[in-house]
Amino acid sequence: SQQGEEDPQALSIQEGENATMNCSYKTSINNLQWYRQNSGRGLVHLILIRSNEREKHSGRLRVTLDTSKKSSSLLITASRAADTASYFCATDTGGSNYKLTFGKGTLLTVNP
Amino acid sequence: NAGVMQNPRHLVRRRGQEARLRCSPMKGHSHVYWYRQLPEEGLKFMVYLQKENIIDESGMPKERFSAEFPKEGPSILRIQQVVRGDSAAYFCASSTGVQETQYFGPGTRLLVL
Repeated sequence: SQQGEEDPQALSIQEGENATMNCSYKTSINNLQWYRQNSGRGLVHLILIRSNEREKHSGRLRVTLDTSKKSSSLLITASRAADTASYFCATDTGGSNYKLTFGKGTLLTVNP
Repeated sequence: NAGVMQNPRHLVRRRGQEARLRCSPMKGHSHVYWYRQLPEEGLKFMVYLQKENIIDESGMPKERFSAEFPKEGPSILRIQQVVRGDSAAYFCASSTGVQETQYFGPGTRLLVL
């Protein structure tokens, strides 16, 4: 698997349900970030979690980081149709912490 | 405070032509990054620049691709003699510092015919 690999590749849920996406990575990191990309659009930064943090909240988003397992999860609670998008995790590595490595993303579809 | 701006949003070129992609970072941001996204793929780092300096171009193909971030004006990603494989979305990001959040522009979608 590649650095910053998300799963599942696609997730379809009903409005109001929670959505959980996972990200695994291979090498040590400084920061892990989650971005959202609507179809054919740019990336919107959602949340950054540093390697010494375990959990972070922002509105309906909750991100966890387990550095021992080299994994992170993004939880979106009470999903809305407008949350439909691709979600990417991006990691940086110790030496080049500006060089973000993205996975292929999770395509989330929230059905009204 | 306007976000990162990129233009053009869409660019069509024939094989062998040159493509010039522009990126204006957010106000106060002096660090610029370029990424490329192939269809159905995640973004791949290409180059990191600060004003008038290329800091890291390890992700940029050695031939035909160049980038600059002059003292005045936007950052430019230049692709010479484009080929069909250059068709992709090119995203620019900017930040206030090397360890700070990168904010992305809307991207330029390049199509090479």
